[in-house]
Amino acid sequence: GAGVSQSPRYKVAKRGQDVALRCDPISGHVSLFWYQQALGQGPEFLTYFQNEAQLDKSGLPSDRFFAERPEGSVSTLKIQRTQQEDSAVYLCASSLVGGQGQRRQYFGPGTRLTVT
Amino acid sequence: AQKVTQAQTEISVVEKEDVTLDCVYETRDTTYYLFWYKQPPSGELVFLIRRNSFDEQNEISGRYSWNFQKSTSSFNFTITASQVVDSAVYFCALTDSWGKLQFGAGTQVVVTP
Repeated sequence: GAGVSQSPRYKVAKRGQDVALRCDPISGHVSLFWYQQALGQGPEFLTYFQNEAQLDKSGLPSDRFFAERPEGSVSTLKIQRTQQEDSAVYLCASSLVGGQGQRRQYFGPGTRLTVT
Repeated sequence: AQKVTQAQTEISVVEKEDVTLDCVYETRDTTYYLFWYKQPPSGELVFLIRRNSFDEQNEISGRYSWNFQKSTSSFNFTITASQVVDSAVYFCALTDSWGKLQFGAGTQVVVTP
């Protein structure tokens, strides 16, 4: 009965390094979302997958951010050449079906990224 | 564009007092869904309640209740007889038909014994 898991839970990166954040959604969940939560703020949408298809990436802040979900389950959010403004908690969420806004999203514990 | 406003930054109460959290939203969609999520210090967002845009019936679920008023675009949330474990940040959120959540800035609730 596992929920959404994310790894690593904490990541410290030096400015300019590349990082990869992993999300394991609940088994069988079609939809997967990534959100960015800056300190003291609400989560902000980054990108959305339905199975392996990335249907919306309008929230990705720059072309340094890239996400994939090649087999429709595990997803990876990659940030290239990290900057200090990338410091935030990155939250992953999944939901059972796709294209249904009323479906609740189940959130993982997040990955706290600190760029020094 | 969608927008969610939570004007209250922090609310402090003594245990057993009621707490009401305000939420005002903006959307051009005719079909939308409203949520409240709780984020305790551990960081994980916990789903609390959901309402759709075509059902304004207000309900009570245990110690939680909500007041959805389409005419004023408000979706307020009340915790009755607060407990210390209710201390957390509470987020109001809005989705379109695809499910992308638009969150408010959150309200920190502090319940002291």
